[in-house]
Amino acid sequence: KNQVEQSPQSLIILEGKNCTLQCNYTVSPFSNLRWYKQDTGRGPVSLTIMTFSENTKSNGRYTATLDADTKQSSLHITASQLSDSASYICVVSEFSGGYNKLIFGAGTRLAVHP
Amino acid sequence: DSGVTQTPKHLITATGQRVTLRCSPRSGDLSVYWYQQSLDQGLQFLIQYYNGEERAKGNILERFSAQQFPDLHSELNLSSLELGDSALYFCASSTGHSNQPQHFGDGTRLSIL
Repeated sequence: KNQVEQSPQSLIILEGKNCTLQCNYTVSPFSNLRWYKQDTGRGPVSLTIMTFSENTKSNGRYTATLDADTKQSSLHITASQLSDSASYICVVSEFSGGYNKLIFGAGTRLAVHP
Repeated sequence: DSGVTQTPKHLITATGQRVTLRCSPRSGDLSVYWYQQSLDQGLQFLIQYYNGEERAKGNILERFSAQQFPDLHSELNLSSLELGDSALYFCASSTGHSNQPQHFGDGTRLSIL
């Protein structure tokens, strides 16, 4: 069964610190992997999209990595800010039946404290 | 601002009723997606339309239906509502190409009393 698992489930860090969120997946055939940020009560916002051939992609203080061989991805947040407090969702795209089907992880809830 | 507009923002109704949620996609996007997010749960994909045609179906109940109109806006119809249907319903849009991001609206919060 195609699955996306994220860890940790939740995380508390101090403002200014770095952190890394993990995503493991069993989706096949793989099309791409996405990271989204979702503030409470808002819609998710795309951070990065990586295809099979890309192993790192940055968006400001966010850097995503992808190891397609081990089917693992990480999202590294540098110099965290209070506004980084949100849920971070890993989404893997499965190419099936001629179209891409998105499979969502449950998310990591990050709290940044002053 | 994602450019995706969802109305209404909040909806309160009773069990057994029927409601319609509306979504206007980002300008230029042909594909519309509907998702359900229950309290503290992950996003569950319901259905996708591309240029007026149904393209993919996820875990959508038979009591739920959707359509995309010629002007590309979409509606999600929920009928015979049950308490468990209380959730945030998100609409997203994209160009429809495989490696393009989906842009999400801020959702409709549906509360069933």
